[in-house]
Amino acid sequence: EIVLTQSPGTLSLSPGERATLSCRASQSVSSSHLAWYQQKPGQAPRLLIFAASRRATGIPDRFSGSGSGTDFTLIISRLEPEDSAVYFCQQYDSSPPLYTFGQGTKLEIK
Amino acid sequence: QVQFVHSGAEVKRPGASVKVSCKASGYTFSFHAIHWVRQAPGQRLEWLGWINGGIGDTKYAQRFQGRVTITRDTSASTAYMELSSLTYEDTAVYYCARDGGSPEYYFDYWGQGTLVTVSS
Repeated sequence: EIVLTQSPGTLSLSPGERATLSCRASQSVSSSHLAWYQQKPGQAPRLLIFAASRRATGIPDRFSGSGSGTDFTLIISRLEPEDSAVYFCQQYDSSPPLYTFGQGTKLEIK
Repeated sequence: QVQFVHSGAEVKRPGASVKVSCKASGYTFSFHAIHWVRQAPGQRLEWLGWINGGIGDTKYAQRFQGRVTITRDTSASTAYMELSSLTYEDTAVYYCARDGGSPEYYFDYWGQGTLVTVSS
């Protein structure tokens, strides 16, 4: 089973700053199988990025994803107070079929 | 717009089964698979399995094989997830989520979830 480890656990930044969130996989992950989600308290996760770098419909270009192999990054530029949330990465492995998630990074906007 | 409406919260005894539903709207149900993902307190999101909205074939995470059953009713645009032999560790919010479509593997729309509490 591929384990995803996210860092940092918590990130506290000010509006206008840039956030860099990391997702490291225990084995190589196909870029087309890596996604990022945002979850606010009491809400369902919301898709931000799929295939490592493709923004989902309606996601502003302040959100960008990159990476390959075992190291993936989500960057949120020009932070806004509404970006406060927990961010998860997710991967898919086909043998056996299994989707797994990282433990999340909590982003606080001061 | 794509939406999912979940069935209401459930409280079950250990050893019992629970069946949760999620009704889809805003798209052609048979064109996308539906996944079930759960989130236990303080735990990572955990994938249980999926069902093809059209032909109805299923895939389950190995750790839930034999305990989870996912079905669908295309005429009602509704997917169901039944989990048996419940333990306290099954207390979680259970989400349905739409498959984004291959060759990528992701969930593009999620329901609001159903809270299942296992308590004696």
